[in-house]
Amino acid sequence: QVTLKESGPVLVKPTETLTLTCTVSGFSLSNARMGVSWIRQPPGKALEWLAHIFSNDEKSYSTSLKSRLTISKDTSKSQVVLTMTNMDPVDTATYYCARIDSSGYPWTFDYWGQGTLVTVSS
Amino acid sequence: QSALTQPASVSGSPGQSITISCTGTSSDVGGYNYVSWYQQHPGKAPKLMIYDVSNRPSGVSNRFSGSKSGNTASLTISGLQAEDEADYYCSSYTSSSIWVFGGGTKLTVL
Repeated sequence: QVTLKESGPVLVKPTETLTLTCTVSGFSLSNARMGVSWIRQPPGKALEWLAHIFSNDEKSYSTSLKSRLTISKDTSKSQVVLTMTNMDPVDTATYYCARIDSSGYPWTFDYWGQGTLVTVSS
Repeated sequence: QSALTQPASVSGSPGQSITISCTGTSSDVGGYNYVSWYQQHPGKAPKLMIYDVSNRPSGVSNRFSGSKSGNTASLTISGLQAEDEADYYCSSYTSSSIWVFGGGTKLTVL
């Protein structure tokens, strides 16, 4: 059974750095077919893709947020980590991680985590 | 990379069909057959409904179908049911090797 679960702080202060962890199970991050993205959704607003890490450790970032984002993975812990610097209240959102299985539905997010709400406030 | 354009809302009565459009550019929707559609109920994570423009994952009702013409993709739901009421998002892989989502469409079943 494939699952993804996001974890991290519920509340961060403006200018702080956010670190979120996506812990996966039911598949291996070392599998050449697997990749994981981070996607966020401000309250009442649309989904916004943030970053992706491929099985070969290649990374891709949102053009508008690239300077603030870093995605990495720890295969031994089955975890994908996203850091976002210089947080602002407009970054308040539910943050999701989602899987791409290139052998199943390439370029498609087939499994999603439940999401974690991060509020940015002083 | 700009978000894909979707209508803010659509509505239909039970049993009817509705179509949601998703307009992009030749750098995303028009350039690749990597358009997917997601259903999101309030407070829930998105669920994959259509991938690669017109393919349904196993377990998704055949009332859901997808298509594409030029830079515009479409999701059609036939035989509307109350449980279809949700937000729907399109997504596309792009020439910049990134992904982009649409602004979302709220479907109301009257």
